[in-house]
Amino acid sequence: RKEVEQDPGPFNVPEGATVAFNCTYSNSASQSFFWYRQDCRKEPKLLMSVYSSGNEDGRFTAQLNRASQYISLLIRDSKLSDSATYLCVVLSGGYQKVTFGIGTKLQVIP
Amino acid sequence: NAGVTQTPKFRVLKTGQSMTLLCAQDMNHEYMYWYRQDPGMGLRLIHYSVGEGTTAKGEVPDGYNVSRLKKQNFLLGLESAAPSQTSVYFCASSPNYEQYFGPGTRLTVT
Repeated sequence: RKEVEQDPGPFNVPEGATVAFNCTYSNSASQSFFWYRQDCRKEPKLLMSVYSSGNEDGRFTAQLNRASQYISLLIRDSKLSDSATYLCVVLSGGYQKVTFGIGTKLQVIP
Repeated sequence: NAGVTQTPKFRVLKTGQSMTLLCAQDMNHEYMYWYRQDPGMGLRLIHYSVGEGTTAKGEVPDGYNVSRLKKQNFLLGLESAAPSQTSVYFCASSPNYEQYFGPGTRLTVT
């Protein structure tokens, strides 16, 4: 089993739709969780951190489920500009263990 | 404030040649990282540094060496390039857990 697993997609959704991605992790001792966004042929950029209590930033909501060992990202009212690959990142053992998922590709269609 | 910069942006090497990739950050971050990104594999950590003068191995360190002589610079060296090292290389810096990435170096080894 991979340490961090994501459905690579692509997820093709119409503008205005709500879409959700999950990311599962295998190390129950993992400490910190993040979602990054990566546009085609660009560097990843931090989208949001994922806290135990959940985290909301505008149309984006991130949640952590430690019992089932997954994090989720919900995007409401999808925009064309949301089209990108969303990377799940899990930190374990402090700075020594940074694991990226392969990313989930989202394509928002007009 | 340039953030994280990488030099060069593109490079083609022949098998057996050597080269050094330079990463520079002007945010006074303690932590710096080198990743490679390959299709279907996600980002994988090569080496990292938790401060000036220190380096440590990541997930895929073989074939690479690093140095962090100055806090703002993190160098990645390939002593004898192999076709398997064809990839996109990203450098990142971090003040804590959030990582800021450079624009990447596209390396092809023929």
